[in-house]
Amino acid sequence: EVQLLESGGGLVQPGGSLRLSCAASGFTFSSYAMSWVRQAPGKGLEWVSAISGSGGSTYYADSVKGRFTISRDNSKNTLYLQMNSLRAEDTAVYYCAKGSLQGVSRSDAFDIWGQGTMVTVSS
Amino acid sequence: QSALTQPASVSGSPGQSITISCTGTSSDVGGYNYVSWYQQHPGKAPKLMIYEVSNRPSGVSNRFSGSKSGNTASLTISGLQAEDEADYYCSSYTSSSTPLYVFGTGTKVTVL
Repeated sequence: EVQLLESGGGLVQPGGSLRLSCAASGFTFSSYAMSWVRQAPGKGLEWVSAISGSGGSTYYADSVKGRFTISRDNSKNTLYLQMNSLRAEDTAVYYCAKGSLQGVSRSDAFDIWGQGTMVTVSS
Repeated sequence: QSALTQPASVSGSPGQSITISCTGTSSDVGGYNYVSWYQQHPGKAPKLMIYEVSNRPSGVSNRFSGSKSGNTASLTISGLQAEDEADYYCSSYTSSSTPLYVFGTGTKVTVL
């Protein structure tokens, strides 16, 4: 069964850091681009970051550029999101999502999603 | 790049058909045949329902169909069922430099 399982969320103070993980199973992880998408409480979906299957190309939304870093370990079938300098507006459920292509493409859709992990930034 | 515009809510009775619109510009919806639709039940992860305007992934009911006209894409649910009650989001290719992926504002579908 194709599955994504996020972990690492929690409560953190403004200015703090957190690392999210997404464990993949049931497919050849290195063959697909991956993204992080977040959803603030009661709000819509917002794309955060994407990484190619090889890990050689990364992309970020302006709202997180310079603060968040996406990476992947294909030997461990795991995707990561390192979040630094967290702000209250980063409070959201963070989903990892699988693309259908190896490269990151604007034409792609997200065919598999994890269950999400909640990040709360508050003092 | 602003979010694509969707109606906040759409409702219908069981068995009826409903259509959800997703309006963008010639730089996104109108310019490319890369519109996707996601269904999200409360507290659950989104699920891909339609990709490339009108294609259904394996396992998605053929009651769901997609189309596009000009700068507006549409998702139609025919034979509405109670299990279809959920939030629906569109997404489109965008030629804007950022963000890489843009989503719609979301539509709450209520089955009366």
